[in-house]
Amino acid sequence: GAVVSQHPSRVICKSGTSVKIECRSLDFQATTMFWYRQFPKQSLMLMATSNEGSKATYEQGVEKDKFLINHASLTLSTLTVTSAHPEDSSFYICSARDAGRASYNSPLHFGNGTRLTVT
Amino acid sequence: AQTVTQSQPEMSVQEAETVTLSCTYDTSESDYYLFWYKQPPSRQMILVIRQEAYKQQNATENRFSVNFQKAAKSFSLKISDSQLGDAAMYFCAYRSAPDNNDMRFGAGTRLTVKP
Repeated sequence: GAVVSQHPSRVICKSGTSVKIECRSLDFQATTMFWYRQFPKQSLMLMATSNEGSKATYEQGVEKDKFLINHASLTLSTLTVTSAHPEDSSFYICSARDAGRASYNSPLHFGNGTRLTVT
Repeated sequence: AQTVTQSQPEMSVQEAETVTLSCTYDTSESDYYLFWYKQPPSRQMILVIRQEAYKQQNATENRFSVNFQKAAKSFSLKISDSQLGDAAMYFCAYRSAPDNNDMRFGAGTRLTVKP
């Protein structure tokens, strides 16, 4: 089945530094990827939609300059948390849909997530 | 905007018994997809079952089945013959039919399976 690889799975960084999270579709092409954030015991909240070759679309309340998204190829999207603060500590999950399959037959495939801890 | 509501924060079921998780949603669209995802402690999102809104027949996947009531905008998940490995967070999700639309999740239901 379709696999989405997310790296790193866990990262600890100091306040003020930047962290990059990668999301790769291993065996399919994804023109669009989605980035979610999940706080403990809460649901997944969509942060932004990453579009290959164009600017990402951010949800209301998500700071574009803080959460930089780059989708330079059909298999890779990156999320960079800039000038991280402790309140950015969370679980980040990416997902992608196989662009080569019809919508009705192609659910979102999720990465394993990245646990970010900012000290 | 579409919203997904799961009114049961926690549910418990005895091993081998049946449990039903509730989900309702709000939308003005006529064509869309509905999903149930399972999230075990590993945090990996695992697709359990999906339903296309244009299909009247309820989806089934082995021990998992749904009761899709389009008019009532209800999409419940039934787990039969519950197993210990079914214990997890379950999220109901909605996605619009057009390509590349994102998925909206409910708040989740934590399912405990008692041996």
